[in-house]
Amino acid sequence: QKEVEQDPGPLSVPEGAIVSLNCTYSNSAFQYFMWYRQYSRKGPELLMYTYSSGNKEDGRFTAQVDKSSKYISLFIRDSQPSDSATYLCAMSAGGSYIPTFGRGTSLIVHP
Amino acid sequence: NAGVTQTPKFRILKIGQSMTLQCTQDMNHNYMYWYRQDPGMGLKLIYYSVGAGITDKGEVPNGYNVSRSTTEDFPLRLELAAPSQTSVYFCASSSPRDRASATNEKLFFGSGTQLSVL
Repeated sequence: QKEVEQDPGPLSVPEGAIVSLNCTYSNSAFQYFMWYRQYSRKGPELLMYTYSSGNKEDGRFTAQVDKSSKYISLFIRDSQPSDSATYLCAMSAGGSYIPTFGRGTSLIVHP
Repeated sequence: NAGVTQTPKFRILKIGQSMTLQCTQDMNHNYMYWYRQDPGMGLKLIYYSVGAGITDKGEVPNGYNVSRSTTEDFPLRLELAAPSQTSVYFCASSSPRDRASATNEKLFFGSGTQLSVL
């Protein structure tokens, strides 16, 4: 079993839809949870960062962490074609500086 | 505002050739990383460095070498290129926000080098 599991998709949705992207993990030591967005032929960029359990909201994006279930989610409200990208979850343990990445989910938002 | 700069952007190698992928950052970050990304497979860590003169292996180090003589530069060396090394390579850097725990949540990535070995 991989430490971080993420469905590669692709996930295709119409413009305006609510998108839910998810990752599961097996390492209970993970405390720091990140979502990176990667446009085609570009490097990933940090989108959201959450420490421990709970929710974090930034504009149309909400990150959720459920440590009891070892499950994290990224919600995108009112999705736009410009949100079309690959979304990678990443997580790290306290004291560790090396994040473990998921495979990434390819999201396509069509007009 | 350069950030992390990688060169070259594209390269085609023949089997057995050698090359160095260059990476430099101007943010004075201590930590630097090399990842490879194969289609649909996410990012796999090749090597990383926590400071000048210090390097360590990641998940997939075989066939690669690195050095870190300065804070700014972290080149990746392929000695005998093989078709299995065809991939997109990303360099990244970071600076831990909480030095007491060395937690490091934000990596800054370069734009990548697309390498084909034929």
